[in-house]
Amino acid sequence: AQSVTQLGSHVSVSEGALVLLRCNYSSSVPPYLFWYVQYPNQGLQLLLKYTSAATLVKGINGFEAEFKKSETSFHLTKPSAHMSDAAEYFCAVSDPGGAQKLVFGQGTRLTINP
Amino acid sequence: GAVVSQHPSRVICKSGTSVKIECRSLDFQATTMFWYRQFPKQSLMLMATSNEGSKATYEQGVEKDKFLINHASLTLSTLTVTSAHPEDSSFYICSAIHRDETQYFGPGTRLLVL
Repeated sequence: AQSVTQLGSHVSVSEGALVLLRCNYSSSVPPYLFWYVQYPNQGLQLLLKYTSAATLVKGINGFEAEFKKSETSFHLTKPSAHMSDAAEYFCAVSDPGGAQKLVFGQGTRLTINP
Repeated sequence: GAVVSQHPSRVICKSGTSVKIECRSLDFQATTMFWYRQFPKQSLMLMATSNEGSKATYEQGVEKDKFLINHASLTLSTLTVTSAHPEDSSFYICSAIHRDETQYFGPGTRLLVL
């Protein structure tokens, strides 16, 4: 069975500082990995995805994530935080050969301090 | 591209009534759609997989007679909450599988049962 663990339910950084949101996964097969962002009272927006191509994936809004098989990690980073980055972030994993169901982490709320 | 809409965005109903939520893929066809439920400050919980032209597949613990799903076309899935009760109040989100195997999410529907 697949699972996702997001370390830190709440992360707070200053505007302009590095953003690092941690995600570790468990999967018996090479997974597909995703990061989604959710703004209040809205659905989820895809930030980026890893589907077995390049291990460093660049997404929208300046975010990127690196797939590290040896560490079973897919951490999300952004060099310089903006106030508009404040939101809930979800890491998710799916089985490429399965029913494309996503298993979500518990989410990390990112707060940006001025 | 890859836009998913939901209607209504917000609905308030009386206990005992039924509510229908629509999920549409606007610019692509989706054989498979998913329905999720999200409680405040929590992650998404998969309720069911909606397959065009066939019966939905429900996750364990989800009452199929209470949450009726119909996927009558490649761009539309509906979720009907039958005989709604206050405990059904929640944020319901759908997603649709694009041919690039990515799930694209709708903006969600906030249901409040009085």
